[in-house]
Amino acid sequence: AQTVTQSQPEMSVQEAETVTLSCTYDTSENNYYLFWYKQPPSRQMILVIRQEAYKQQNATENRFSVNFQKAAKSFSLKISDSQLGDTAMYFCAFLNAGNNRKLIWGLGTSLAVNP
Amino acid sequence: GAGVSQSPSNKVTEKGKDVELRCDPISGHTALYWYRQSLGQGLEFLIYFQGNSAPDKSGLPSDRFSAERTGGSVSTLTIQRTQQEDSAVYLCASSGQGGLFEQYFGPGTRLTVT
Repeated sequence: AQTVTQSQPEMSVQEAETVTLSCTYDTSENNYYLFWYKQPPSRQMILVIRQEAYKQQNATENRFSVNFQKAAKSFSLKISDSQLGDTAMYFCAFLNAGNNRKLIWGLGTSLAVNP
Repeated sequence: GAGVSQSPSNKVTEKGKDVELRCDPISGHTALYWYRQSLGQGLEFLIYFQGNSAPDKSGLPSDRFSAERTGGSVSTLTIQRTQQEDSAVYLCASSGQGGLFEQYFGPGTRLTVT
């Protein structure tokens, strides 16, 4: 069975600075995807970034980038130039690209961006 | 285009009553998922519909929970004889074909069982 671990329940960062959120996972699968989702107080779950396991290049989306270390089963999220609107819960999620495409979730990291 | 919509936004019900939660996926998306988000327990998968295939019900916590998807579009999650431990946010997501596997979420329904 797959598991996802986020070891940082809470983090804070000053506006305009950089912060890295950690995520590790465990799987015996070879074909999978990893995601970071953001959930602000509005409750809306928003996709931040996606990484295909077969790709060696780290995904980037504007201020968001990942450090994907497949052998170490690590998938950290770096937020550059943090903005107040980045304040939210961040969830790391794993998806097996086989028949059952359910997301397996970490418990989340609560990020506070301080002015 | 329109995103995933869910109704109601909030639902308060008495223990023992039945509730129905509705999800309207993104038009054209063939896959639909239900997840439950409980305080302190993270998100858990409930059920997955893919096209006309039999749904994957492996995440439903008890036989009080059921879901259907009519016409390959709208889905209803039904909880019978609600219990206090059913209180949670119920999230619906949909995804399209093409191998991207990204799931897009609705705003959720917050269910409170008193």
